Amino acid sequence: QVQLVQSGAEVKRPGASVNVSCKASGDSFIFYALHWVRQAPGQRFEWMGRVNAGNGDTMYSQKFQDRVTITRDTSTSTVYMELSRLESEDSAVYYCARSGINPIWGQGTLVTVSS
Amino acid sequence: DIQMTQSPSSLSASVGDTVTITCRASQNIFSYLNWYQQKPGTAPRLLIYGASHLQSGVPSRFSGSRSGTDFTLTITSLQPDDFATYYCHQNHIAPWAFGQGTRVDIK
Repeated sequence: QVQLVQSGAEVKRPGASVNVSCKASGDSFIFYALHWVRQAPGQRFEWMGRVNAGNGDTMYSQKFQDRVTITRDTSTSTVYMELSRLESEDSAVYYCARSGINPIWGQGTLVTVSS
Repeated sequence: DIQMTQSPSSLSASVGDTVTITCRASQNIFSYLNWYQQKPGTAPRLLIYGASHLQSGVPSRFSGSRSGTDFTLTITSLQPDDFATYYCHQNHIAPWAFGQGTRVDIK
C-alpha cells in the first residue's frame, strides 16, 4: 500500500520561504506525477503544480509560477515544494498527491505565516 | 484550464435520506472524476474514483455516475458519520481542478 508522508507543521514570517517534503513508500515512485495542492481555511482545494517523478519535468499554476519550485529526489522517493516570499494569505494546509486513476494523498502540512 | 462547478454549496438532510451532489466540468474530462469526503482538520478521503468506482473500504451507500460532462455523487440512507463536506476533483489533465465543496449537515 503506497503512502505519502509529509513533513511537519511550519510557522514562518512574511517574506520568508517554506520547504515541505513528501516521502513516498513503495517502489513505483518514478512512474507517477506528484502534485501539490493547498487548502486555505474554509476554501476549496487549489492546485499549485506537479513534478513528473520519472524525468523531473515540472508544471506550475500561473498563480504561483514565480514563487514555487517543486523538485524530486528519486534516491529517497521524496518530493519537495518550496514556496517563497510568503504572505499571510499563504497560510494553509499543503498536500502532496500522487497521480493515477485513484489518487493518493499525503496527510497535509499546516503552514502558518504570521509576523 | 478546466473548471469544475459543484452544486449545491450546502444542504441539510436527515439520517436515512438520499443525498445527491452534482459537478459539471467545463470540457470533456472523460471519466477522470473523483469524489472526496472531508471532515474538519483532516485530509480528504477518496470515496469514488474514475467517476463510478468505489474506493476500497468505502461503504456501498456511496455511488457515482457520469453523463457527458455532468457527474453525480449519491449517498443513499445517510448515516451520522456522513455529515461532512464533499468535493469533486478532475484529474484528466493538469492543472487539476476542484469543485467548491458541498457541506452536508443535519436537518
